[in-house]
Amino acid sequence: AQKITQTQPGMFVQEKEAVTLDCTYDTSDPSYGLFWYKQPSSGEMIFLIYQGSYDQQNATEGRYSLNFQKARKSANLVISASQLGDSAMYFCAMREGADTGKLIFGQGTTLQVKP
Amino acid sequence: SAVISQKPSRDICQRGTSLTIQCQVDSQVTMMFWYRQQPGQSLTLIATANQGSEATYESGFVIDKFPISRPNLTFSTLTVSNMSPEDSSIYLCSVRQGEGYTFGSGTRLTVV
Repeated sequence: AQKITQTQPGMFVQEKEAVTLDCTYDTSDPSYGLFWYKQPSSGEMIFLIYQGSYDQQNATEGRYSLNFQKARKSANLVISASQLGDSAMYFCAMREGADTGKLIFGQGTTLQVKP
Repeated sequence: SAVISQKPSRDICQRGTSLTIQCQVDSQVTMMFWYRQQPGQSLTLIATANQGSEATYESGFVIDKFPISRPNLTFSTLTVSNMSPEDSSIYLCSVRQGEGYTFGSGTRLTVV
């Protein structure tokens, strides 16, 4: 079974609008971490935001915020005021447990920002 | 966060040959990982590179095909052996520091 699911293969958003990228996860471990990465066409992986399973508040980093709904096992990424440079592939990832280092990635969502 | 230098950035190789990819980190890190990203796909973990011991491979990946070295806490290599066109992918190394993960810039491999 998929541990990280991103159900939106592709998304479009108008420049300056907000967009939400969906991510659901599946784990029975009470300690886990959730990550979002951006991968432009150059191929590099750019860290965007992190949410720990015990964090009480939703994580925010500039224009990025993570809508963490623990009971629903969802960790959606919200990008506010989209910019043309936001066009890229976005990956949700999970680390299970406190000590294991392995990241499991979702299938990714391609975001295109329209001028 | 750590800075990773990954080489080569890209290569075109003949089938049946091998390619060794290097990752150098600017600080000592315990956890180092190697990922494969096939065209249009997500990242899949190949193995965890352990310093001083054999790498831990994920299901579907074997040491004979993807031998890994980790001679110290700042360096690791991944070799893609006896390559076939199906090995054409982006290969990335990654390190964990605290709660964060940093990735190398990737090696874009094309096998012809």
